[in-house]
Amino acid sequence: ILNVEQSPQSLHVQEGDSTNFTCSFPSSNFYALHWYRWETAKSPEALFVMTLNGDEKKKGRISATLNTKEGYSYLYIKGSQPEDSATYLCAFTDYKLSFGAGTTVTVRA
Amino acid sequence: DVKVTQSSRYLVKRTGEKVFLECVQDMDHENMFWYRQDPGLGLRLIYFSYDVKMKEKGDIPEGYSVSREKKERFSLILESASTNQTSMYLCASNPGTRQETQYFGPGTRLLVL
Repeated sequence: ILNVEQSPQSLHVQEGDSTNFTCSFPSSNFYALHWYRWETAKSPEALFVMTLNGDEKKKGRISATLNTKEGYSYLYIKGSQPEDSATYLCAFTDYKLSFGAGTTVTVRA
Repeated sequence: DVKVTQSSRYLVKRTGEKVFLECVQDMDHENMFWYRQDPGLGLRLIYFSYDVKMKEKGDIPEGYSVSREKKERFSLILESASTNQTSMYLCASNPGTRQETQYFGPGTRLLVL
């Protein structure tokens, strides 16, 4: 049973549209929340590490928020581009890193 | 840039074969990890190593063993491959505690027939 849930499992976005998706995790024993992007045929790469409740991180058109009290994080993609197509993984850390199953984003031109 | 490389991108093996998956990192990281990824499931930790010759079981170690003779190299061994070990295998490393950001290799897709 995954204690880190990501939804939706997949989504399709039209180029130029914005989108967001969720990572839910246990709210107890929180240490950090990681987001990774995994493009096809490449290595997963770290996007953000967030540690504080209310944290917001931004990298270009991608941003993330964190609510540790209720146990969720949102990842936002503004003005989606085809190169944003990837699987986005979140990972919750208490004493170890636990990954969700990912949200696969497909951006249609 | 941190580089983590894996010996093969694709492997096809037969049931019962002994399989070695090799991982090398070039950034002198203490910790190295082996995961498998299956559809609908998160990355699941098989084994990790926090120092040369040191290893610890992850969540799903059954059917696997590991070897870390040198700091930069971490091998995953399937002693007798079975069809339920068909999966994507990812290696990762990091320099600090096991909770910190990990740097991944490109993965090995293993098919066991």
